[in-house]
Amino acid sequence: GQNIDQPTEMTATEGAIVQINCTYQTSGFNGLFWYQQHAGEAPTFLSYNVLDGLEEKGRFSSFLSRSKGYSYLLLKELQMKDSASYLCAAMDSNYQLIWGAGTKLIIKP
Amino acid sequence: DAGVTQSPTHLIKTRGQQVTLRCSPKSGHDTVSWYQQALGQGPQFIFQYYEEEERQRGNFPDRFSGHQFPNYSSELNVNALLLGDSALYLCASSPGEQAFSGANVLTFGAGSRLTVL
Repeated sequence: GQNIDQPTEMTATEGAIVQINCTYQTSGFNGLFWYQQHAGEAPTFLSYNVLDGLEEKGRFSSFLSRSKGYSYLLLKELQMKDSASYLCAAMDSNYQLIWGAGTKLIIKP
Repeated sequence: DAGVTQSPTHLIKTRGQQVTLRCSPKSGHDTVSWYQQALGQGPQFIFQYYEEEERQRGNFPDRFSGHQFPNYSSELNVNALLLGDSALYLCASSPGEQAFSGANVLTFGAGSRLTVL
């Protein structure tokens, strides 16, 4: 079966760094996405990885290891506005996204 | 530039009723996908429309049906509502040439929150 696993909830301090992990099992693989979703709002795109390695985009970075079925999202210099759910999604061989349940990130002052 | 717009934002129905949700894609996008997101869960893929046809479908019963219009807007219809249909229904759009490739970045609407009593 197809499955995405990510932690349910994480807590971090403003100004710190946090890493949100995601493991996936899909029928075929066409890339790994991270989306941010604030409570009551639409998910917004953060990153896309299809090759192994680290992609850096400002305060956010995303890493992929295809051989391990593993990705992480790294958030640096945390701000209160980063409090949100972070959704990991893997694209299968039919180009459909299989979504994790999301990781709720709580930022404390 | 308006993004993806959905209506209504909230609605309450009773078991057995029918509901229609509407979506207008982002300007320049011609592919629309619908997702169901239960509280505390990730989105579950319902179906995708392109060129007014259902191109792919997730694991949802036939009670869930849809339509895409020539202007690329779309509707999601759910018949014979069950309590378990209570969820946030998200519409997402993308350009057609990207929709069937790996780098398919979706633009989501804010969703329609359906409560079934």
